Amino acid sequence: DIVMTQTPLSSPVTLGQPASISCRSSQSLVHSDGNTYLSWLQQRPGQPPRLLIYKISNRFSGVPDRFSGSGAGTDFTLKISRVEAEDVGVYYCMQATQFPHTFGPGTKVDIK
Amino acid sequence: QVQLQESGPGLVKPSQTLSLTCTVSGGSISSGDYYWSWIRQPPGKGLEWIGYIYYSGSTYYNPSLKSRVTISVDTSKNQFSLKLSSVTAADTAVYYCARVRVWSGYALTDWGQGTLVTVSS
Repeated sequence: DIVMTQTPLSSPVTLGQPASISCRSSQSLVHSDGNTYLSWLQQRPGQPPRLLIYKISNRFSGVPDRFSGSGAGTDFTLKISRVEAEDVGVYYCMQATQFPHTFGPGTKVDIK
Repeated sequence: QVQLQESGPGLVKPSQTLSLTCTVSGGSISSGDYYWSWIRQPPGKGLEWIGYIYYSGSTYYNPSLKSRVTISVDTSKNQFSLKLSSVTAADTAVYYCARVRVWSGYALTDWGQGTLVTVSS
């Protein structure tokens, strides 16, 4: 299985300041078709997860543009340009390049 | 806007079979653009991918659960289902159904609210 790791596991942030989460995979996530199937999900307290970013850097419908994704190969980053109160929650990266699809352990973002 | 809703018993006895159904509304489960997935989350823990199914019946399972898992689809009812046999306390979790969009890199684009299943005698 591809193991996904995330750093940090906890990130206290100040409102209006940027936040960054790193995700690393144990193997390259480049699929044989040339695509990289890495997505980011947000889980607010008491809610199901919600898709933010797919294929490294594509924002899903309705996702604010303060969220951005980048990276390649085995190293990926989710950035929030200016954290708002509604961004509190746990963020997961997920790979769908290889079966079984696997998730990172999650990064908890809260307000200082 | 597609909506997914999980249903099934909230309490299952050890060694028995967990059975859940996901009802899809606002979209056809027979669309070739999507797979239909189950994911679970033990209380206070992270997410685990269980598997998914295509409308044709093709399935892909997590090997860690493969011997116990069956995912099926009923296109006439716009539903898909999960069966997990020989459950133990370790299978206690919130179970989510989700839609997987192929052209979005198999991302989990839409989720149900989740249903808590507790395994206990």
